[in-house]
Amino acid sequence: GAVVSQHPSRVICKSGTSVKIECRSLDFQATTMFWYRQFPKQSLMLMATSNEGSKATYEQGVEKDKFLINHASLTLSTLTVTSAHPEDSSFYICSASRAQETQYFGPGTRLLVL
Amino acid sequence: GENVEQHPSTLSVQEGDSAVIKCTYSDSASNYFPWYKQELGKGPQLIIDIRSNVGEKKDQRIAVTLNKTAKHFSLHITETQPEDSAVYFCAAIQTGANNLFFGTGTRLTVIP
Repeated sequence: GAVVSQHPSRVICKSGTSVKIECRSLDFQATTMFWYRQFPKQSLMLMATSNEGSKATYEQGVEKDKFLINHASLTLSTLTVTSAHPEDSSFYICSASRAQETQYFGPGTRLLVL
Repeated sequence: GENVEQHPSTLSVQEGDSAVIKCTYSDSASNYFPWYKQELGKGPQLIIDIRSNVGEKKDQRIAVTLNKTAKHFSLHITETQPEDSAVYFCAAIQTGANNLFFGTGTRLTVIP
């Protein structure tokens, strides 16, 4: 149990376009979903936390208008990178948790902005 | 806030030997400590966790120990195999909080 999927696994887009990444908890209802960003050979950096049906809470320094998060149901959260630029290229990972603090991570999405 | 430190940053061991990764935390309120394994190009996978009411937990070749007084916890992998090669992250969190505080990661290489 506790499987989290992400789609797409990798995406290449042109500068200025928007990209949507989906995160799904496949076999459990996630009360909270998280979005992380990871640069090469570094640890995970929390971008935002979202609870189903409410607005996401963004970490300091993360632009909420650039990284739009929607958590429409207990099994789906989406991250939209708006007007993407090359510096947004990164590995984006979501995680989901049930009532307790254990987070289960998705496989990640590699974004390359040309 | 919480600060988690992890050592070593890289670790190479011969196949069959043991590997130990150590983490320290600063916030005595933290009471849940998961360990994640991340293979290249993939998301972190939870491999073992421990809560503060337990001093040690074991799952086959993997064990975790926790010293609440000293605020440190360690991951022990015995009889290492090449497929254990990955980056391992420790983390700490307080029950009821959302933020997982990660260590900086340890790149483990098991040499066949």
